[in-house]
Amino acid sequence: NAGVMQNPRHLVRRRGQEARLRCSPMKGHSHVYWYRQLPEEGLKFMVYLQKENIIDESGMPKERFSAEFPKEGPSILRIQQVVRGDSAAYFCASSPQGGTGGIYEQYFGPGTRLTVT
Amino acid sequence: AQSVTQLDSQVPVFEEAPVELRCNYSSSVSVYLFWYVQYPNQGLQLLLKYLSGSTLVESINGFEAEFNKSQTSFHLRKPSVHISDTAEYFCAYSGTYKYIFGTGTRLKVLA
Repeated sequence: NAGVMQNPRHLVRRRGQEARLRCSPMKGHSHVYWYRQLPEEGLKFMVYLQKENIIDESGMPKERFSAEFPKEGPSILRIQQVVRGDSAAYFCASSPQGGTGGIYEQYFGPGTRLTVT
Repeated sequence: AQSVTQLDSQVPVFEEAPVELRCNYSSSVSVYLFWYVQYPNQGLQLLLKYLSGSTLVESINGFEAEFNKSQTSFHLRKPSVHISDTAEYFCAYSGTYKYIFGTGTRLKVLA
């Protein structure tokens, strides 16, 4: 059973370009979470998605960032018009169950390291 | 506000010596606690977790952590470290689906 897959592993973008980060959850998992790790900091929650639904996006910056998890295909984290401050490692996690009332172990992918030049 | 504090950003220790990585959390609700390990340029791997039951939890590679509710702590310990334990260790807590992570402790095992 393959783990959580993320691609690309490394992404370099110039200021103003768009970045698209992909996450394929573990087989059988329908809940996806995105976290961002800024240099010298811990991971910070960004967004929680189920298939075709955003459950909680309270950690997402209000502008330029969006996320989706379509019925078919991977979850996508999109950052438009990137700035230097977006340089970070972005981690995706998935769980087999979810919801707002319980705790379900999350399995993390290897991350995408975004560098904005 | 809910938070996790890892006071030590770096911990150097000699091989075969014991180590303790400290973690304190702040929460007024039931918590679930985790330790993750991150090797260079890799993702996070779950080391151990406390969900309920026995307050002492162990991993397969010799680490253990004890949940102490009165001190709101979940310190990670290993009686004898190996060079291969060199990595960054993150403590995390969750009351719901959101994991709250500490800033990490870099464990450096010296020969």
